[in-house]
Order: sequence, then C-alpha cells, then structure tokens
Amino acid sequence: DTEVTQTPKHLVMGMTNKKSLKCEQHMGHRAMYWYKQKAKKPPELMFVYSYEKLSINESVPSRFSPECPNSSLLNLHLHALQPEDSALYLCASSQVGLAGLVEQYFGPGTRLTVT
Amino acid sequence: SQQGEEDPQALSIQEGENATMNCSYKTSINNLQWYRQNSGRGLVHLILIRSNEREKHSGRLRVTLDTSKKSSSLLITASRAADTASYFCATALSGNTPLVFGKGTRLSVIA
Repeated sequence: DTEVTQTPKHLVMGMTNKKSLKCEQHMGHRAMYWYKQKAKKPPELMFVYSYEKLSINESVPSRFSPECPNSSLLNLHLHALQPEDSALYLCASSQVGLAGLVEQYFGPGTRLTVT
Repeated sequence: SQQGEEDPQALSIQEGENATMNCSYKTSINNLQWYRQNSGRGLVHLILIRSNEREKHSGRLRVTLDTSKKSSSLLITASRAADTASYFCATALSGNTPLVFGKGTRLSVIA
C-alpha cells in the first residue's frame, strides 16, 4: 500500500471554529510532513515529524497545531484561522533519512477555505 | 535562497512533442528530485538524481544535472495529454535540511 490518505477533502470553516485535518499512511514510514500550498505556488513546508517527534517547525503560527499520535497518523489542529490561511494542505510521508535522498509520498490534500 | 527556479513558468505543446523544463538553483546541493502535481492534487515523485550523476532516465523521462551551472532539466518525450500537470524540482542542502520546492512549470499538452 503506497497511499497516503487525507480527510476531509474539502473544509470550510469560520475564523472562530476549531477543526482538524487528518493524514494516514501504512507504508511504515517514520517521517511525516505537513505542507501548505497556495494557488500556482510550490508547497511550503510547515512541520516535520520523525519517529513521532516534532523535528522541524518552520515558524508556523500557533493557530496551527500538529500532532502525531502514532507512526501511521498525523493530525493538524486548526483554531482561530485567518482568511489568508485558505490553501491546499498536503500531508506527505517518507522513510527517515537525508531530505534530498528520500522520496516523499503525498496525499491528495485538504482544500481549506476560511471565511 | 535555496529554492529552485523553473523555466519556463508555463509551457503549452501538442501531443507527441517533447517538453523540456529547466531548474536552476543557487546553492550547492547533494541531490535533486523532480515531482509532478496534477491540478489540485498531491505531488508524485518522478525521479531523483544524485550530485555525482549527470543524466538519468525513467521511461519517457530524462533528467540531467549540471552542478557547475547549478541547473537541471527534465525532458518528457512523446508527450501525452495525461502529462498535463505542474512539474517541480526540489533540492536539499547537505545535512538534515528539509526539501525545498522550486516555483514549478505548468505544462499543458494539447490533444
């Protein structure tokens, strides 16, 4: 199984809502990633988890809170978001290793709209 | 910035033609990867080329790397409508720095 799944596919939330994005993989990968992608832009790294521990936080605002409850699951908790946070949120996984040497497997993304 | 710059930003070709996309980067890298993204979907890994390799093939894909010019090219031969997508190069510095994606080339293959 080489699939990364993400739920939900689409999410519309108000600025006072709390919601969560979910990501799951069963490839035995111990590195998992959250990316944010605006239209016609490249993905921008937000967080990296390695062996279920947060290893990289790219100065992401605290209204985004990641969680890795086990080696297969990755969540992104959202609270008090701004309209500019509307984007495609991509989850990826890979084997642990030097970033340039490992292939990342991406999920289909969650299209988030903040109203 | 480490981020790659793809060229051209957009490319439109007829089915059956070859498509060439270029990626230039500013800092020394160890390896370079290419990914494809269909509209609004996740990225798919295409190929990884190591810094000591000059050319690599995978099916209809041919990737070159010129570390002296800090550039890479992706050639798709005999293009198909299904090749319509955005193509990103991605690089990482040595050490445990994360992968950084270039700005991408949007390819349209017209049937």
